[in-house]
Amino acid sequence: DSGVTQTPKHLITATGQRVTLRCSPRSGDLSVYWYQQSLDQGLQFLIHYYNGEERAKGNILERFSAQQFPDLHSELNLSSLELGDSALYFCASSVVPASSYNEQFFGPGTRLTVL
Amino acid sequence: AQSVAQPEDQVNVAEGNPLTVKCTYSVSGNPYLFWYVQYPNRGLQFLLKYITGDNLVKGSYGFEAEFNKSQTSFHLKKPSALVSDSALYFCAVRDPAGGSGYALNFGKGTSLLVTP
Repeated sequence: DSGVTQTPKHLITATGQRVTLRCSPRSGDLSVYWYQQSLDQGLQFLIHYYNGEERAKGNILERFSAQQFPDLHSELNLSSLELGDSALYFCASSVVPASSYNEQFFGPGTRLTVL
Repeated sequence: AQSVAQPEDQVNVAEGNPLTVKCTYSVSGNPYLFWYVQYPNRGLQFLLKYITGDNLVKGSYGFEAEFNKSQTSFHLKKPSALVSDSALYFCAVRDPAGGSGYALNFGKGTSLLVTP
């Protein structure tokens, strides 16, 4: 158990809908990263938050957004969902301070299925 | 741009035999390299990392990796494979200058199958 929790575990929804994925980092970790894993794109970095502030964006669509709250949990919002958004979404956290050599600890993921 | 390549989609090995999962990297400057493992329906678990120092890095579950600067490789190895090692293995690189906020850039993964 990495100490990173994600809810829900599974999510099934329809095209055009909006969903929110939640992540709680390990105790003491200020950095939260979101990744998407799909068969065709592999594992892709979406966005990074550090202590409530957005620090970096990867291949994140404009329909997607995220935030990190004062209690350090983070939410990834996916809107106007398309079939191609079906994927496994991972959250990861790393120790303070954000550093290039600290490993990230991954949550179990949320499997999103868009029908 | 920092990137890694895993040239093999799948590696098959018999239990008890040594295993190698290959990874090559393309980075500017010194690479920060990582290996993660993903078991079915689970998140990624950290195995080991190379930042600097000894070229042979020891990690979790008996795994080790050899950093080779001249060949730009960071192959994952284990002297004696177990059936329970069967999983998806990812090599990853991180920009030491903080590009992408220190996010990990993953290879496409290698599926390891260890047969009894």
